Amino acid sequence: TQLLEQSPQFLSIQEGENLTVYCNSSSVFSSLQWYRQEPGEGPVLLVTVVTGGEVKKLKRLTFQFGDARKDSSLHITAAQPGDTGLYLCAGVIYQGAQKLVFGQGTRLTINP
Amino acid sequence: ETGVTQSPTHLIKTRGQQVTLRCSSQSGHNTVSWYQQALGQGPQFIFQYYREEENGRGNFPPRFSGLQFPNYSSELNVNALELDDSALYLCASSFLGADGYTFGSGTRLTVV
Repeated sequence: TQLLEQSPQFLSIQEGENLTVYCNSSSVFSSLQWYRQEPGEGPVLLVTVVTGGEVKKLKRLTFQFGDARKDSSLHITAAQPGDTGLYLCAGVIYQGAQKLVFGQGTRLTINP
Repeated sequence: ETGVTQSPTHLIKTRGQQVTLRCSSQSGHNTVSWYQQALGQGPQFIFQYYREEENGRGNFPPRFSGLQFPNYSSELNVNALELDDSALYLCASSFLGADGYTFGSGTRLTVV
């Protein structure tokens, strides 16, 4: 059974601070995705990382895939209140069908 | 380009009843996956449909079943509802083999 552990589960920081969210597993994934979910909405895809060691930047968000393709991190620089939300990592695996294995999420609150 | 539409948005059912949830996939997508997201957790894969057949299933009992129609829309049926079935049910469409998923806003099911 593939499991993805996210940490921290909850994070509340002040506007302008930096933060990192971690996503760890003992399993290897063909790729890994990060989603953001707002209350009452479905997850929205932020990025897909495919290659071990890959780094992708999306404005103030930096995503990294571990060399062994088992872990990933999301770093936010100069957090803003608009970054508030639930951040989910999801490993992509193939078991008869391509499916996503999600972590439990990190609830991020940015205080003005 | 229309996104993924799910109906109804909210539903309250009594234990033992049956429920049908509906999903219209995004234009150009031919695969539909269903996920269950319990409160405070990440989504869990229920099953995936492609070409009107189930082509992958997670750890859910047979009372969870589905259909896909020629226009790629889909239904999720749950029989003999249990209290633990209370959750947000998410539908995600994609193109088979691609890793870009579009999620709907979900159906919030409450079983009392």
